[in-house]
Amino acid sequence: RKEVEQDPGPFNVPEGATVAFNCTYSNSASQSFFWYRQDCRKEPKLLMSVYSSGNEDGRFTAQLNRASQYISLLIRDSKLSDSATYLCVVSSNSGNTPLVFGKGTRLSVIA
Amino acid sequence: DTGVSQNPRHKITKRGQNVTFRCDPISEHNRLYWYRQTLGQGPEFLTYFQNEAQLEKSRLLSDRFSAERPKGSFSTLEIQRTEQGDSAMYLCASSPLHEGYTFGSGTRLTVV
Repeated sequence: RKEVEQDPGPFNVPEGATVAFNCTYSNSASQSFFWYRQDCRKEPKLLMSVYSSGNEDGRFTAQLNRASQYISLLIRDSKLSDSATYLCVVSSNSGNTPLVFGKGTRLSVIA
Repeated sequence: DTGVSQNPRHKITKRGQNVTFRCDPISEHNRLYWYRQTLGQGPEFLTYFQNEAQLEKSRLLSDRFSAERPKGSFSTLEIQRTEQGDSAMYLCASSPLHEGYTFGSGTRLTVV
């Protein structure tokens, strides 16, 4: 079983739609969780950290369910500029082990 | 110094040749990571350094691969006797302790 699993998509949604991505992780000792965004042929960039209590940054909401070992990302009011690949990322020991990346979920927002 | 710098951006080499990539991290970052990414996959961990010490190496890092960070600043990743399967984007990232990564733009390697 892969350490981090994501639906690769693509998710094709119209502008203004709400879209949600889920990700599951296998290591119950995982401590740190992130969503990264990667544009085509560019490097990954940190979108947001994910906290147990859930957190929101503008149109983006991230949630963590430790019991079920899954992480979600919700994007409201999708923009064309949200089109990218979203990478789910976990670390087994906060700051002390390398981050493990999922394969990513492709999102295309269509006008 | 506004980010992580990687050189070269692109490298085309013949199978069997050796290649070396360089990464200059953000100057105050202690940690430096190398990842490899192929099409349709997420970045896969190769190795990382804390200052000049190489703390962990992935099983992906065969004996043809070697990485150094001699003075705890820039790092090099060398691939000897390249194979077509080595074709990928090689990403370097740096971070302070216990914080998120900043990635460089990567070096795209094509082995022909």
